[in-house]
Amino acid sequence: DTGVSQDPRHKITKRGQNVTFRCDPISEHNRLYWYRQTLGQGPEFLTYFQNEAQLEKSRLLSDRFSAERPKGSFSTLEIQRTEQGDSAMYLCASSLLSTNEQFFGPGTRLTVL
Amino acid sequence: GQQVMQIPQYQHVQEGEDFTTYCNSSTTLSNIQWYKQRPGGHPVFLIQLVKSGEVKKQKRLTFQFGEAKKNSSLHITATQTTDVGTYFCAGRKTSGTYKYIFGTGTRLKVLA
Repeated sequence: DTGVSQDPRHKITKRGQNVTFRCDPISEHNRLYWYRQTLGQGPEFLTYFQNEAQLEKSRLLSDRFSAERPKGSFSTLEIQRTEQGDSAMYLCASSLLSTNEQFFGPGTRLTVL
Repeated sequence: GQQVMQIPQYQHVQEGEDFTTYCNSSTTLSNIQWYKQRPGGHPVFLIQLVKSGEVKKQKRLTFQFGEAKKNSSLHITATQTTDVGTYFCAGRKTSGTYKYIFGTGTRLKVLA
């Protein structure tokens, strides 16, 4: 399967714990996005990478959230000191520079107890 | 900040009826994309519109981008049960950003 993959698919954690999610984009895709989606809402932009450079980050994102894409391939999203309000589906999407067509992964569903 | 609204929020149609969802942005867009998300699934890209007044068709789906590049619509002719899902538009402002703002979505149910 050459689609976007995300790991883990589900994560349950206690409030205050740190969590890290991984996204493996489609190879050769330069662009990588992270989104957060809650029930009944559209995906909410979190951050954008072009190759290994993080070029944009949502102003709504607190400093508890950090993302990396160290070699321009896979990416990680870390949430420190999780809160119940962080419970959501975290989606990763990748695309080519030339097309902008975003291919989404299956997402990581986070539940914070 | 930039907002993208969609109407209606929900739509129930009988199979064979037509369906339209409308997308309105508070700011001018460089392009707009449409996605379909099935229940329990992830968004799947349908199309991208770039030019003012652009119209594109995919079988029973017709997409339009407004002249002012602030609104868009998706029309489905003769809906089928396979059309069930939530349809999102996603727009990017004309400059200074890479991010796409997703609309609130229109959830379509098709009754057989």
